[in-house]
Amino acid sequence: NAGVTQTPKFRILKIGQSMTLQCTQDMNHNYMYWYRQDPGMGLKLIYYSVGAGITDKGEVPNGYNVSRSTTEDFPLRLELAAPSQTSVYFCATTGRPPKEKLFFGSGTQLSVL
Amino acid sequence: DAKTTQPPSMDCAEGRAANLPCNHSTISGNEYVYWYRQIHSQGPQYIIHGLKNNETNEMASLIITEDRKSSTLILPHATLRDTAVYYCIVSPNTNAGKSTFGDGTTLTVKP
Repeated sequence: NAGVTQTPKFRILKIGQSMTLQCTQDMNHNYMYWYRQDPGMGLKLIYYSVGAGITDKGEVPNGYNVSRSTTEDFPLRLELAAPSQTSVYFCATTGRPPKEKLFFGSGTQLSVL
Repeated sequence: DAKTTQPPSMDCAEGRAANLPCNHSTISGNEYVYWYRQIHSQGPQYIIHGLKNNETNEMASLIITEDRKSSTLILPHATLRDTAVYYCIVSPNTNAGKSTFGDGTTLTVKP
């Protein structure tokens, strides 16, 4: 039982490049979230999903896109990477908010140079 | 969504109890208080949560005031490995459970 798996763990992008951060969970949870964390700061919600085929914007969605074609997978797409997107990205999931806790992945550290 | 206020940093002596406060004065009746901690840049780790009553588990105790406007996380015997950033959040019963994380409290446990 792996929980929440994020890949890659580290990535360096050049300005203008694109990439997809992968997030997979094996807990059969409907709710999934993408957060970003800048150095010394708390987590900010980028996008979230309440089930397959349903996604919505969080606090800081600009420059990102998501899809949710299956319950297990919730990839985050960066188009035209910018230095402001240098951050650590965390994927999280829960089964039944607010009564159940969030499970977090180990994060993806992204640098845009 | 209800916001939380926490002190930016606290120190605690090893072996002593660490008491971390959190203010959530705008909390609604059906919103839960959750505590997570983050060690280095790892993913946040769940500690404890509660609605109205005080709660205790193997990691910590959670004391929620009667008016629910504030809470305290208690680590009964802090160790060096408890040095981390501690986040208090309010988890709404609506709005897809979206939780807002503040900047948390950096707890430093000193020998």
